[in-house]
Amino acid sequence: EVQLVESGGGVVRPGESLRLSCAASGFTFDDYGMSWVRQAPGKGLEWVSGINWKGDSTGYADSVKGRFTISRDNAKNSLYLQMNGLRAEDTALYHCARRQAVRGVHLFDYWGQGTLVTVSS
Amino acid sequence: DIQMTQSPSSLSASVGDRVTITCRASQSISSYLNWYQQKPGKAPKLLIYAASSLQSGVPSRFSGSGSGTDFTLTISSLQPEDFATYYCQQSYSTPVFTFGPGTKVDIK
Repeated sequence: EVQLVESGGGVVRPGESLRLSCAASGFTFDDYGMSWVRQAPGKGLEWVSGINWKGDSTGYADSVKGRFTISRDNAKNSLYLQMNGLRAEDTALYHCARRQAVRGVHLFDYWGQGTLVTVSS
Repeated sequence: DIQMTQSPSSLSASVGDRVTITCRASQSISSYLNWYQQKPGKAPKLLIYAASSLQSGVPSRFSGSGSGTDFTLTISSLQPEDFATYYCQQSYSTPVFTFGPGTKVDIK
């Protein structure tokens, strides 16, 4: 059974940093790209960042570019999101999601339940 | 950047109704479009990928169509468990992706 379990969320002040982790199990982790998707309270889904299976290709939403860094450790079956310079608008539930390509279309077929990040002074 | 819009933003429907949700991209994305369902307090669930392919295990009352800039998600006969929020997502601009703002379907 595929499982994605996020951790590392918490309450921080504006300008501080946080590192999220996602532990993957039930599939061959280094066969898949991964992404982080967030959801602010009462709002819609926002794709944040993604990484390919090897870790040498990444992408970021404009809203986090230059502040967030995605990485992975295939030996540990883990995905990470280093978040620096946090702002109030980064407050959200952060999900990790498995990315799969089917006929060239990239989709998110498994999701974790998320870890909550709150940025408040 | 590719922007996604959805209409309506919310709708009220009854069990048994046919429901159609529209998603529009700011530029042509071919068929690089997926649909997700999200229920309160739950993670999103993939319904449709590549505009019209049904994800394994998803009931056949769900269908998708469209290409280019205009797409639709149709629920042929709304069931009680279908009351949720639905999101489209483009993957044309890989490795950057975009979700639509969502359409909330609730009970009339």
